Amino acid sequence: SQQGEEDPQALSIQEGENATMNCSYKTSINNLQWYRQNSGRGLVHLILIRSNEREKHSGRLRVTLDTSKKSSSLLITASRAADTASYFCAFYSSASKIIFGSGTRLSIRP
Amino acid sequence: NAGVTQTPKFRVLKTGQSMTLLCAQDMNHEYMYWYRQDPGMGLRLIHYSVGEGTTAKGEVPDGYNVSRLKKQNFLLGLESAAPSQTSVYFCASSYTSGRAGYNEQFFGPGTRLTVL
Repeated sequence: SQQGEEDPQALSIQEGENATMNCSYKTSINNLQWYRQNSGRGLVHLILIRSNEREKHSGRLRVTLDTSKKSSSLLITASRAADTASYFCAFYSSASKIIFGSGTRLSIRP
Repeated sequence: NAGVTQTPKFRVLKTGQSMTLLCAQDMNHEYMYWYRQDPGMGLRLIHYSVGEGTTAKGEVPDGYNVSRLKKQNFLLGLESAAPSQTSVYFCASSYTSGRAGYNEQFFGPGTRLTVL
C-alpha cells in the first residue's frame, strides 16, 4: 500500500500538555504536509516541510522530517481545547498523486 | 473569495441511481482532486485533473467518472450507485502538483452520500 501510516491512531491529553504524532511513508518525497480536520469539516493545511529541511516551526507547531527513516513528526505544544481534531500527514507519490496517512485523532481534555 | 465549494452537502440515493457532485473553486487553481473518506480512515484519491479538459485516475477510480470542462469546475459522477460508495466526498484544488514548488491543497466542506 502507498498509504502513509500514522501513530498513534488516537491520542488523549490534558489541556496544556504537548501532543506528538508520527507519520511514516514508503516512497521518495519532495515535501511532506500536515493537515487538520475538525469533525464534519474539510481538511485544512497546517504546514509543509521540504525534503531538504529537517525541522520547521509555525506558531505552536513543530514538524520534523527524517528522510533516512522516511518519517515525520508533528508536535503541538501547550495544547488547547480547539486543537481537538484529526491530523493527517500527506505526501506525493511518484505520479502527482497525493497520499494521505490514516490520521491521528487528538482529543484535548479540559 | 469562496474558496472551494461543493454541492450538494448531503444526498441519499438508492442502489442503481445516478448523480453528479459539483466542485467549484475561485482561486484559478490548475489542479483539482476528488477524494472519498470512509469512517476512521484517511482520504483516498478517486480522480484528479491537472488542467481544463484533462482528467486522470487516482487510487480508487472504479464506479466513478469525472469531467473538467471549465477550469473552475470539477464534476464527479456516479453512474450506478452502490452501497459501497456510501462515504464522505471531498473536493480539493491546488496551484501546482507539488512535485515542484509549494502545493497546499484547499478543501471543500464535503458531501455526505448515503447509498441505500
